[in-house]
Amino acid sequence: DGGITQSPKYLFRKEGQNVTLSCEQNLNHDAMYWYRQDPGQGLRLIYYSQIVNDFQKGDIAEGYSVSREKKESFPLTVTSAQKNPTAFYLCASTLRGRGVTEAFFGQGTRLTVV
Amino acid sequence: GQQVMQIPQYQHVQEGEDFTTYCNSSTTLSNIQWYKQRPGGHPVFLIQLVKSGEVKKQKRLTFQFGEAKKNSSLHITATQTTDVGTYFCAGPGGSNYQLIWGAGTKLIIKP
Repeated sequence: DGGITQSPKYLFRKEGQNVTLSCEQNLNHDAMYWYRQDPGQGLRLIYYSQIVNDFQKGDIAEGYSVSREKKESFPLTVTSAQKNPTAFYLCASTLRGRGVTEAFFGQGTRLTVV
Repeated sequence: GQQVMQIPQYQHVQEGEDFTTYCNSSTTLSNIQWYKQRPGGHPVFLIQLVKSGEVKKQKRLTFQFGEAKKNSSLHITATQTTDVGTYFCAGPGGSNYQLIWGAGTKLIIKP
């Protein structure tokens, strides 16, 4: 079955650590996205990528980094520079960029700082 | 920058009552999409509206796109417990036409 797989489902980070969240899709979609969702809030865009080896900052990119070395993969690193990383992180993909086709989401990763 | 405002933030209804959420964009949209997020889950695509004045139905859900393509609504008739969740609208915008998301409306069924 085609879809987006995020791992891990739950992640605990110590203060000062970098952690990497995995996102893999087998939908052959060009565009991929990372969103952050805080309790009771909407989706805020962290980074997006419309093609391999290219990505753009979203609204809240500070303290995060990404790579897009393969079409299928778009990992997100939450660095120690992100002061309040506890949140629900959602990866999504669309067939094309530019907001014209539906977004498919992974199951999400809940990150908690301990 | 472009914004998509969505109201209300929460709506408490008795099971069987109707529910409506509204989205309003600061600019004209080429399309608007609606998603549902169940508690603890991820957003799932419901529908996309493209044409001015378009109305689409999915069983008890009715989606409308305004004539000026700046506003949209989702109406659920006779809510059921399976309707519980947060409903988001989203439209393309910004310098790279990325999806701009409304803040969502949480549907809560009163016990």
